[in-house]
Amino acid sequence: EVQLLESGGVLAEPGGSLRLSCAASGFTFNRYSMNWVRQAPGKRLEWVAIIYGGGSPTYYADSVKGRFTISRDDSKNTVYLQMNNLRADDTAIYYCAKDRIPDGLFEFDYWGPGTPVIVSS
Amino acid sequence: DIVMTQSPLSLPVTPGEPASISCRSTQSLLHSNGNNYLAWYLQKPGKSPQLLIYLGSNRAPGVPDRFSGSGSGTDFTLKISRVEAEDVGLYHCMQALGTPITFGQGTRLEIK
Repeated sequence: EVQLLESGGVLAEPGGSLRLSCAASGFTFNRYSMNWVRQAPGKRLEWVAIIYGGGSPTYYADSVKGRFTISRDDSKNTVYLQMNNLRADDTAIYYCAKDRIPDGLFEFDYWGPGTPVIVSS
Repeated sequence: DIVMTQSPLSLPVTPGEPASISCRSTQSLLHSNGNNYLAWYLQKPGKSPQLLIYLGSNRAPGVPDRFSGSGSGTDFTLKISRVEAEDVGLYHCMQALGTPITFGQGTRLEIK
């Protein structure tokens, strides 16, 4: 059974940093692209970043480029999102999501339950 | 960026009646391989999204056959043949043709 579990979401101050983690199980992790998607209150889902199997390439939404970094540790079946220079509009529930098919960019077939990030002073 | 537009945004439905949601994209989602990179998700209250339809018209494993997806290019439709109480929630369309991956605004289905 595929399972994804995010952690690391907390209250952070503007300009601060956070690292989110997503622990995966139930599939051959190193073959699949992994994504971070966020959902701000009352807003549509927003894709944040993708990391392909093997660690590259990576792509980012313009709204986070230069501030967020996605990475993975295939030995731990974990994907990370390092979030720097946080802004109030980064406040959202952050989900990790697995691509449906290995070795590419595809729809997401599994999502974690999400972890909340609140950026406020 | 590809902009996804859903309609309606709110959909009250009587149980047992059909329902239909439209999703339009500003660019064709038809790849040269013949696949439309359009997916539908249902986000039940308090839960994360779950995949219903991928590649425009393929039901995900375990999804009831009352759900169907159709369309090609820029116009897509999700249909529920007979709505049940458990179908309430927020329906999202998503394009996965390329980055940035983008979503529609969401359509909230409620039971009358």
